[in-house]
Amino acid sequence: NAGVTQTPKFQVLKTGQSMTLQCAQDMNHNSMYWYRQDPGMGLRLIYYSASEGTTDKGEVPNGYNVSRLNKREFSLRLESAAPSQTSVYFCASSEARASGTYEQYFGPGTRLTVT
Amino acid sequence: AQKITQTQPGMFVQEKEAVTLDCTYDTSDPSYGLFWYKQPSSGEMIFLIYQGSYDQQNATEGRYSLNFQKARKSANLVISASQLGDSAMYFCAMREGRDSGYSTLTFGKGTMLLVSP
Repeated sequence: NAGVTQTPKFQVLKTGQSMTLQCAQDMNHNSMYWYRQDPGMGLRLIYYSASEGTTDKGEVPNGYNVSRLNKREFSLRLESAAPSQTSVYFCASSEARASGTYEQYFGPGTRLTVT
Repeated sequence: AQKITQTQPGMFVQEKEAVTLDCTYDTSDPSYGLFWYKQPSSGEMIFLIYQGSYDQQNATEGRYSLNFQKARKSANLVISASQLGDSAMYFCAMREGRDSGYSTLTFGKGTMLLVSP
């Protein structure tokens, strides 16, 4: 049971290049999320998918697109990378517990540098 | 206005002592939840504890407890008997709105805790 996995772990891009960050979870969770973490800013929500077949914008969606490929996989695409997108990207998933807690399980993160 | 405020950029504590990390929140929704996550230097996010707005008692999980003061809109994390392995960044986060099968979280900026021998 790997939990939430992300690929790649590290990536360096040049301005204007595109790439897709991959995320998969094996916990059969309905909901998945993409966050970015910048120094001194905490985590900010980029996009989320409440359930398979749906996606919605979060706090900072500009410059990104997402695809919920199936229940397991949720990818984040940068069409034309900019230095402002240099960050650590976290994928997370969640499922409701009987207690009402919606604990989010996080992947290990992808450290992206755009030069 | 910030929805989650963590006013302590850094905290120091000696091993075996207790420490309180502050978190205040801002919401007008009567239904919400508060989370604490730990991020060690390795970078992963580790869930510690959760408190729902309608929970009658303060949440506890082992050495972690949440001092929930609803009227003050504060949800402070208390770590008892600190250990060297507790040295990490700690984030407070909030879910707003009724439980609807998923939760988008708003995070604070974090508090760096250093535990000394």
